[in-house]
Amino acid sequence: SQQGEEDPQALSIQEGENATMNCSYKTSINNLQWYRQNSGRGLVHLILIRSNEREKHSGRLRVTLDTSKKSSSLLITASRAADTASYFCATLVSGNTGKLIFGQGTTLQVKP
Amino acid sequence: EPEVTQTPSHQVTQMGQEVILRCVPISNHLYFYWYRQILGQKVEFLVSFYNNEISEKSEIFDDQFSVERPDGSNFTLKIRSTKLEDSAMYFCASRSTSGGAYEQYFGPGTRLTVT
Repeated sequence: SQQGEEDPQALSIQEGENATMNCSYKTSINNLQWYRQNSGRGLVHLILIRSNEREKHSGRLRVTLDTSKKSSSLLITASRAADTASYFCATLVSGNTGKLIFGQGTTLQVKP
Repeated sequence: EPEVTQTPSHQVTQMGQEVILRCVPISNHLYFYWYRQILGQKVEFLVSFYNNEISEKSEIFDDQFSVERPDGSNFTLKIRSTKLEDSAMYFCASRSTSGGAYEQYFGPGTRLTVT
């Protein structure tokens, strides 16, 4: 089964608009993390939300988690051209050694 | 700010050759990981390493793969006999164990091209 599926696969918006990406997963999790990857580069940790949390903010980022629906969303407010990147959700499955299971990612393009 | 480093940034090798990918995790971290990302696909877990031994490995991590922490700073991934399908970006990651910290810090990756 697929763990951590994001939608949409691709998103194109104008600078200043908000971008929302969704992630669904299938198994019980300890936490869910969002990462960003600029083209051909490494993964940058953005934010972590624990399974007992429902919402978390960090700067222009807002993450929600609904464990009953096994889904999470990442909202980037007032987007900038520099936010152009791929965004991945990754789940830490309960009881394991800390391996992350990544989704397919959402490619965000912010047009200036 | 401390960061995970990886060398080389790009490795080209012929099929059947051995490669060693190197990583220097963040110095006070105790859990280490390797992931790979085939071009255009998602990041896949390969192996986790703690207390000088493998704690978990995926189906991808077969007998052709091995990991080692040869000294107090380096963490290596060896592929004994590379195949074309091993071409991918390989990411090393590390995390602390203090305070229930689960954030993994990733290196910039090594792009492995097998010809």
